[in-house]
Amino acid sequence: DVKVTQSSRYLVKRTGEKVFLECVQDMDHENMFWYRQDPGLGLRLIYFSYDVKMKEKGDIPEGYSVSREKKERFSLILESASTNQTSMYLCASSLGLGGTAGELFFGEGSRLTVL
Amino acid sequence: QKEVEQDPGPLSVPEGAIVSLNCTYSNSAFQYFMWYRQYSRKGPELLMYTYSSGNKEDGRFTAQVDKSSKYISLFIRDSQPSDSATYLCAKISRGSQGNLIFGKGTKLSVKP
Repeated sequence: DVKVTQSSRYLVKRTGEKVFLECVQDMDHENMFWYRQDPGLGLRLIYFSYDVKMKEKGDIPEGYSVSREKKERFSLILESASTNQTSMYLCASSLGLGGTAGELFFGEGSRLTVL
Repeated sequence: QKEVEQDPGPLSVPEGAIVSLNCTYSNSAFQYFMWYRQYSRKGPELLMYTYSSGNKEDGRFTAQVDKSSKYISLFIRDSQPSDSATYLCAKISRGSQGNLIFGKGTKLSVKP
């Protein structure tokens, strides 16, 4: 079974702090994604990566950056956390893009609260 | 108009009821649709996928696509309390490299 592991289930940070959210997948998937999920807004794509050291902006990249130094690991970075970044963050991976290869496998989420 | 629109509910039904969950889409490109199920405090997981028009069945679940009305539906027969979850429809986005775009999700509660 594909396993996507997010390092922290719950985090509480202060405004202005730098925040790292880590994600690891164990199925040698090419693509990795970071989403945030908010009530009433659904899942929104922040960034994705289709290869090591490659990244592409999603729909809401402002205030975030990402790092993919190894194929299995994709990190989301909040350089200076703000209260409007309080959210559930979901990491996902897929074998490819489009069709059945595009099936997303999600981690269990990291709930971030910024005070 | 958003690419994928979904009624957020919530939807509450008695055990054994037939449930209908619906989404509409605006862009006819990439006729590939997915339904994800998300239990509380968990990540979404793929429930079913379907291409183009027609029905696809998997046990108590049926996914249906109506291209003419740009409507996608998920039917759950003999609903169970264990079906209580948020259901998200998804479609390949026109504007990306095959990324999925999700509906906002419908929260379903099946009462015993």
